[in-house]
Amino acid sequence: DAKTTQPTSMDCAEGRAANLPCNHSTISGNEYVYWYRQIHSQGPQYIIHGLKNNETNEMASLIITEDRKSSTLILPHATLRDTAVYYCIALRAGANNLFFGTGTRLTVIP
Amino acid sequence: DTEVTQTPKHLVMGMTNKKSLKCEQHMGHRAMYWYKQKAKKPPELMFVYSYEKLSINESVPSRFSPECPNSSLLNLHLHALQPEDSALYLCASSREGGETQYFGPGTRLLVL
Repeated sequence: DAKTTQPTSMDCAEGRAANLPCNHSTISGNEYVYWYRQIHSQGPQYIIHGLKNNETNEMASLIITEDRKSSTLILPHATLRDTAVYYCIALRAGANNLFFGTGTRLTVIP
Repeated sequence: DTEVTQTPKHLVMGMTNKKSLKCEQHMGHRAMYWYKQKAKKPPELMFVYSYEKLSINESVPSRFSPECPNSSLLNLHLHALQPEDSALYLCASSREGGETQYFGPGTRLLVL
């Protein structure tokens, strides 16, 4: 599975959109981009995933570039409860060995 | 019910003890996972069970022994652990494998 690169940390003002980038320049055609987050002292939580089209659900939007080499997770109106480590993972279809990289520590500031 | 439960929440054990961690889900999922997470590090996959059979063992030492007695239950038996095994142990499940994984809250283990 392709390696992903994320910034170590980011801050976002409460109520503003949080845009979390992820680079996956070696992603192959059958690898999905998954996003999970881990709030302090809790288990990871699935957020969203996509293959090549942009995706939106009740939690977030996922924008994948046309060449699929990078993506951005968007939390439209960040709240203090969104403070967490966000993991971007490239995962081959049918594979179940999630590899969590170092992730981005997002801090939402009041 | 979209919950994965883990017991106990916390566990302290000595290096000569034998203990077990338990994980349960009632979502009808047929794939279950154990992860280990050291402080300030990402989770690392240990074992994967698919349809109650061990399908992945990420070269985990034999002092960790997984067991899947039925499709809803996953155990991790611990014996002769070392202090460096102190970590958060996370269980997860997914429908069949290769889809979204649902994680439990973890068991925080301290080995003295």
